[in-house]
Amino acid sequence: DAGVTQSPTHLIKTRGQQVTLRCSPKSGHDTVSWYQQALGQGPQFIFQYYEEEERQRGNFPDRFSGHQFPNYSSELNVNALLLGDSALYLCASSNLAGVTDTQYFGPGTRLTVL
Amino acid sequence: AQKVTQAQTEISVVEKEDVTLDCVYETRDTTYYLFWYKQPPSGELVFLIRRNSFDEQNEISGRYSWNFQKSTSSFNFTITASQVVDSAVYFCALTNSGNTPLVFGKGTRLSVIA
Repeated sequence: DAGVTQSPTHLIKTRGQQVTLRCSPKSGHDTVSWYQQALGQGPQFIFQYYEEEERQRGNFPDRFSGHQFPNYSSELNVNALLLGDSALYLCASSNLAGVTDTQYFGPGTRLTVL
Repeated sequence: AQKVTQAQTEISVVEKEDVTLDCVYETRDTTYYLFWYKQPPSGELVFLIRRNSFDEQNEISGRYSWNFQKSTSSFNFTITASQVVDSAVYFCALTNSGNTPLVFGKGTRLSVIA
């Protein structure tokens, strides 16, 4: 049973560039949530996708956008990168309609903005 | 607003010692869920336990045990006979529903020395 997968593992970008991160949910899960984890901090919620729609959003600017595909995989896009966007980006999947709706996390993508 | 406080930033113990990680939470919801996740150096958040607000029964899983006390809004995590492989950052998290955003504490870094 494959767990949550994310790609790429690491990414280095420069200020002003755009980046796309990818996530495939755990088998049987239909909901994907994205979190940003700055160094030494706990993860902060960015947004959640269900049925290809953004269901909830945290306190992040519009530079952060996402998408969910019919196969439940998801992308996180960040435009006009800032130095402060450097962080570990974690994807979590869950089952909205399921009895067990615990969020399971992927290994993350470490983004460095120079 | 929901809040999770992990007052212990770093803990260092010698192998085979018992260690307790503290978690204090704040919420106005009568129904909520508490979680513990482990984050090894690889970065992936590993789910350890989920506890519902209406179930105050303590739980033991091998060397791990959890003490949930609504009266003090605490959900503490004890590792018995710690091992080097337990070295990681541990996060306590809170949500009012399994699929709503997790609110994380800042984490406690546990180092187990051989």
